[in-house]
Amino acid sequence: AQSVAQPEDQVNVAEGNPLTVKCTYSVSGNPYLFWYVQYPNRGLQFLLKYITGDNLVKGSYGFEAEFNKSQTSFHLKKPSALVSDSALYFCAVRHSTGGFKTIFGAGTRLFVKA
Amino acid sequence: SQTIHQWPATLVQPVGSPLSLECTVEGTSNPNLYWYRQAAGRGLQLLFYSVGIGQISSEVPQNLSASRPQDRQFILSSKKLLLSDSGFYLCAWSVEKEKLFFGSGTQLSVL
Repeated sequence: AQSVAQPEDQVNVAEGNPLTVKCTYSVSGNPYLFWYVQYPNRGLQFLLKYITGDNLVKGSYGFEAEFNKSQTSFHLKKPSALVSDSALYFCAVRHSTGGFKTIFGAGTRLFVKA
Repeated sequence: SQTIHQWPATLVQPVGSPLSLECTVEGTSNPNLYWYRQAAGRGLQLLFYSVGIGQISSEVPQNLSASRPQDRQFILSSKKLLLSDSGFYLCAWSVEKEKLFFGSGTQLSVL
């Protein structure tokens, strides 16, 4: 069965500092991995994805994520946080074969202080 | 370009009343369609997904049902709402292994 864990309910970081939002996954076979962001009372917006290829994936708004197969992790990173990055972030996993079911983590709330 | 429409944006319903939330997609054919529920602004729970007309997969046994009467239409229903059905409902679509595109959501309050 697929599962996603986001171990931190909340991450606090000062503006200008680097940020990391953690994600680990469990899926048999090769995963497709995604990060989404949600602003209050809105639907989710896609940030980036890992399908295959380079382990470091670059996405929207300066975000990037590193796929680590041995640690089954896909942490979201940004070198310099902005106050406007404050939002709810979701990691998601889909099995690469046999179905289109996408499972989301519980979400991590990011607060960036000025 | 592709767009997804989800309505209504907010809904207040009494316990025991029926429910119908509708989602339509434009600009693509044979999309995979999804209904998620988000409780208290946190995790998303996959409720239903569909890979074609009339093909519905249910993830969580509950008081809800879904139907796909047309290729780009996905409907979430209930015959009698419960208090526990309150939440933020999100429709989404995808093709192949690509990302999900989400609607703007429906905030359902059951009183």
